[in-house]
Amino acid sequence: NAGVTQTPKFRILKIGQSMTLQCAQDMNHNYMYWYRQDPGMGLKLIYYSVGAGITDKGEVPNGYNVSRSTTEDFPLRLELAAPSQTSVYFCASSPPGTDTQYFGPGTRLTVL
Amino acid sequence: GQQVMQIPQYQHVQEGEDFTTYCNSSTTLSNIQWYKQRPGGHPVFLIQLVKSGEVKKQKRLTFQFGEAKKNSSLHITATQTTDVGTYFCAGPQGGSEKLVFGKGTKLTVNP
Repeated sequence: NAGVTQTPKFRILKIGQSMTLQCAQDMNHNYMYWYRQDPGMGLKLIYYSVGAGITDKGEVPNGYNVSRSTTEDFPLRLELAAPSQTSVYFCASSPPGTDTQYFGPGTRLTVL
Repeated sequence: GQQVMQIPQYQHVQEGEDFTTYCNSSTTLSNIQWYKQRPGGHPVFLIQLVKSGEVKKQKRLTFQFGEAKKNSSLHITATQTTDVGTYFCAGPQGGSEKLVFGKGTKLTVNP
């Protein structure tokens, strides 16, 4: 298994641009999550999903959108990028019956 | 809302010294989990504690879950440079599929 994969690894955006951060897992996990981690800070939950077709907001959803059309994929969409969205974005997943999370390698995003 | 607090925020030790980080939840937890994030890396699951008063060991790492299931600690004996990183505790957000993470303790080790 590849586990949780994220693309791209790095990205620089200009203010106002949009992009989609990709996340995929091949472990047949129901639950998937998006976090952001600002430098030297902890993890803040952006959105999460308990299964295909079901998503819900986390702590900091403003400026982001998600979709979950398949069990495997959970893309995060940034519309109208702002400098405040400069961060490292982690995707994570959990297998059924447990809340232990397995993280992807992250996407480092800079908005200038 | 539910909060998980960790202290200290930073800890700098000489190689060979011991290290302890503490985690406190504002609510009783069904379990507590610990994750390690190496510099530039992603959080990696270390362990889960479920029972009141539970103690688990992984080589030089000792994890404890408090009797009231509201606090936990991670103790590293004789730190090594490979222990460098940020250690996070996390607990389930009551009845949901979400975890509440502490802000982490960043450990640096002087060789």
